[in-house]
Amino acid sequence: DAGVIQSPRHEVTEMGQEVTLRCKPISGHNSLFWYRQTMMRGLELLIYFNNNVPIDDSGMPEDRFSAKMPNASFSTLKIQPSEPRDSAVYFCASSLTRGLEEQYFGPGTRLTVT
Amino acid sequence: LAKTTQPISMDSYEGQEVNITCSHNNIATNDYITWYQQFPSQGPRFIIQGYKTKVTNEVASLFIPADRKSSTLSLPRVSLSDTAVYYCLVAPLDSNYQLIWGAGTKLIIKP
Repeated sequence: DAGVIQSPRHEVTEMGQEVTLRCKPISGHNSLFWYRQTMMRGLELLIYFNNNVPIDDSGMPEDRFSAKMPNASFSTLKIQPSEPRDSAVYFCASSLTRGLEEQYFGPGTRLTVT
Repeated sequence: LAKTTQPISMDSYEGQEVNITCSHNNIATNDYITWYQQFPSQGPRFIIQGYKTKVTNEVASLFIPADRKSSTLSLPRVSLSDTAVYYCLVAPLDSNYQLIWGAGTKLIIKP
């Protein structure tokens, strides 16, 4: 398996623009997680899905952030409008079941909002 | 959720055994302890998970005392490539929860 796939790997955009990050989890995994990592705040869980259903989105910072999982093999994290403080590395991870069992992380998307 | 405390950083040398201790004084009965490793510009990678006593795999060992208020990740004979940040997580294994990742321990291995 190719592992968790994220695109793009790097994104540079201007404040106010819409940003869409994409993730393809490992085939057969039932849970998908979106994380954000910054030097100041470390690794934060934004939202996670189980069987394509959002289970906990309490980590989503505000209404500008939204996430969808239309099917078992694809998820998006959208920021609209983007702000400079959204600059971070965004990771997607998947696991076989929900819970703290082994999560497989993607390579991340480095987002820079100017 | 049990809060964890780890050293911010540690140094060691190639060939040495490294032990990283994580404190989790308010761990709950159904909490498991999981360690992840993160290299620069990569996502975290699962290392080991345990509930009590000792767990060993091809990469590391995890020691958990009877009171489970702490745990120690042991890396045998480290190499330069073990330089990374190591995270200790404590949470229930199979319930809905908000994972809280601490700052981790930045381990630097010197030649």
